[in-house]
Amino acid sequence: GAGVSQSPRYKVAKRGQDVALRCDPISGHVSLFWYQQALGQGPEFLTYFQNEAQLDKSGLPSDRFFAERPEGSVSTLKIQRTQQEDSAVYLCASRGGGRNQPQHFGDGTRLSIL
Amino acid sequence: GESVGLHLPTLSVQEGDNSIINCAYSNSASDYFIWYKQESGKGPQFIIDIRSNMDKRQGQRVTVLLNKTVKHLSLQIAATQPGDSAVYFCAENPGGSNYKLTFGKGTLLTVNP
Repeated sequence: GAGVSQSPRYKVAKRGQDVALRCDPISGHVSLFWYQQALGQGPEFLTYFQNEAQLDKSGLPSDRFFAERPEGSVSTLKIQRTQQEDSAVYLCASRGGGRNQPQHFGDGTRLSIL
Repeated sequence: GESVGLHLPTLSVQEGDNSIINCAYSNSASDYFIWYKQESGKGPQFIIDIRSNMDKRQGQRVTVLLNKTVKHLSLQIAATQPGDSAVYFCAENPGGSNYKLTFGKGTLLTVNP
């Protein structure tokens, strides 16, 4: 596929469980972004990678959120000890060029915490 | 904090009409703007972008206008089709940042056949 791929598409977890969300960016894209989208809202920035380096994680809501991209391609967003307020759609985007190039999004993972 | 916002949360048009979706931004340092279309259950889909050194940019059936004087951005869709029904977001790169996009709340466009 040519686009950004995210899995799983849906995830239901009980409060307190850990979850891991995967993102496969567009092949060759250096930049990778994670966003959180609440119902009826626009996406909000979580974190940014350039290759394997996490250059900004200022948007992560708490230290329960952790993201990695060890080989500069696939990325995983992990949430530990999930809480109900973590319920949202988690979107991944990648960008191939410089700063004034569009980010291309996957279809997201819808996370529901019971 | 500074943010991107939208004037109209919903817009309903007849098929074949032209649509105009508006967006106000408050960060005068923003130098890059993007419009995204998001259908239910899908991620934002890139439509068109514009840099701050431009006032207008055209794509296929879409035009983006940028008025830096009043910090206003608009998306015009010509001959709107039912398939254009979706939520439309404007997003800005707030200058000085190499990566972050700040999104507005979105406008729901409904096209009536």
